[in-house]
Amino acid sequence: DAGVTQSPTHLIKTRGQQVTLRCSPKSGHDTVSWYQQALGQGPQFIFQYYEEEERQRGNFPDRFSGHQFPNYSSELNVNALLLGDSALYLCASSFSGAKNIQYFGAGTRLSVL
Amino acid sequence: GEDVEQSLFLSVREGDSSVINCTYTDSSSTYLYWYKQEPGAGLQLLTYIFSNMDMKQDQRLTVLLNKKDKHLSLRIADTQTGDSAIYFCAESFLNDYKLSFGAGTTVTVRA
Repeated sequence: DAGVTQSPTHLIKTRGQQVTLRCSPKSGHDTVSWYQQALGQGPQFIFQYYEEEERQRGNFPDRFSGHQFPNYSSELNVNALLLGDSALYLCASSFSGAKNIQYFGAGTRLSVL
Repeated sequence: GEDVEQSLFLSVREGDSSVINCTYTDSSSTYLYWYKQEPGAGLQLLTYIFSNMDMKQDQRLTVLLNKKDKHLSLRIADTQTGDSAIYFCAESFLNDYKLSFGAGTTVTVRA
């Protein structure tokens, strides 16, 4: 049983570019959350997707957008990249009936130059 | 509001017990969690406790919750070198889907 998988593992972009990160949830999970983890800090919640809709959003600008597909996989898109967007982006999946127990993937390390 | 605080560093000798502490400010937390992050990796869920419980034990891990003081601790018995990592405390709330994390405690196990 595969856990949460994310791709790519590493990515290098330049300022102003756009990026798409991908996540496949753990088998049996229907909810995907995205977090940003800056160096030396704890993860910060970006948003959560359930039933292909954004259910909740954290304090992130509209440059951050997402999508959930019918197979529950998800994408995170970031437009107009800034140097400060350099971070580890973590995807977490959960089952809507399981009281918010979230399991994380290994993350995508994004470097913006 | 939500605010989770942890001490930044802990050094422990191999074979000793480690105790990692966390304080939170919002008494309406529903679940509290401990995650482990090894270098260059994602977060591994170690354990979680419902806010109406005082203690939970799972093999070498013991979680203690003091609701009065809003204090959560994770005890690791017989600490091994593989336990060296960053440990994050997190909380969630009723009708709120996000997890709110502390800054993490870096645990170093020395021989």
